[in-house]
Amino acid sequence: SYVLTQPPSVSVAPGQTATITCGGNNIQNKRVHWYQQRPGQAPVLALYNGSDRPSGIPERFSGSTSGHTATLTISRVEAEDEAAYFCQVWDMTTDHRVFGGGTKLTVL
Amino acid sequence: EVQLVESGGGLIKPGGSLRLSCSASEFSFTNYSMNWVRQAPGKGLEWVSSISSSSNYIYYADSMKGRFTISRDNAKNSLFLQMNSLRADDTAVYYCAGGIGNFNPLEVWGQGTTVTVSS
Repeated sequence: SYVLTQPPSVSVAPGQTATITCGGNNIQNKRVHWYQQRPGQAPVLALYNGSDRPSGIPERFSGSTSGHTATLTISRVEAEDEAAYFCQVWDMTTDHRVFGGGTKLTVL
Repeated sequence: EVQLVESGGGLIKPGGSLRLSCSASEFSFTNYSMNWVRQAPGKGLEWVSSISSSSNYIYYADSMKGRFTISRDNAKNSLFLQMNSLRADDTAVYYCAGGIGNFNPLEVWGQGTTVTVSS
């Protein structure tokens, strides 16, 4: 089965740039989606198709995919960005929607 | 405002059954594939099952196959999850979420309903 690997935690000071990675075999060939989940809340779509932002998501959020790694980048991090972030793809081999383990972003 | 509202969660003994519901409003329910995604306490998101807009295509995570059944009623803008033979490790918040097809993201999420399996 397809596995997505994320670092459990990332810490960054306000105003700095946070980078969250998502590793998967040849992930560049897949549509990668990212979800933000603030504490006690339901997930919200943050990026789709690797780098597209839904309406309402700040321009500070960007993404890229290359080789075996997808990356979510949050520029000029704010306190409100503190949340868990999950990457996700559809695995055609198993017809399963696969989530990464999630990365907790802490704003220092 | 687009809204998905889950219901049907609760405390259930191991081996028991539960039926979750998800009601959609202000939402083109009939155009969307619908999913159940769960989150065990303190853990990450785990996809459970998906059903296509016309119920032609249904998929399950391996650990749920044979125990859980997803269904939908487009006339009532409703999604269901029948859960049988429940185990302690099924304890989680269950979210319904919708997207246009399996390769596309889950655009819309409900607030979740909590299922606790315990004796």
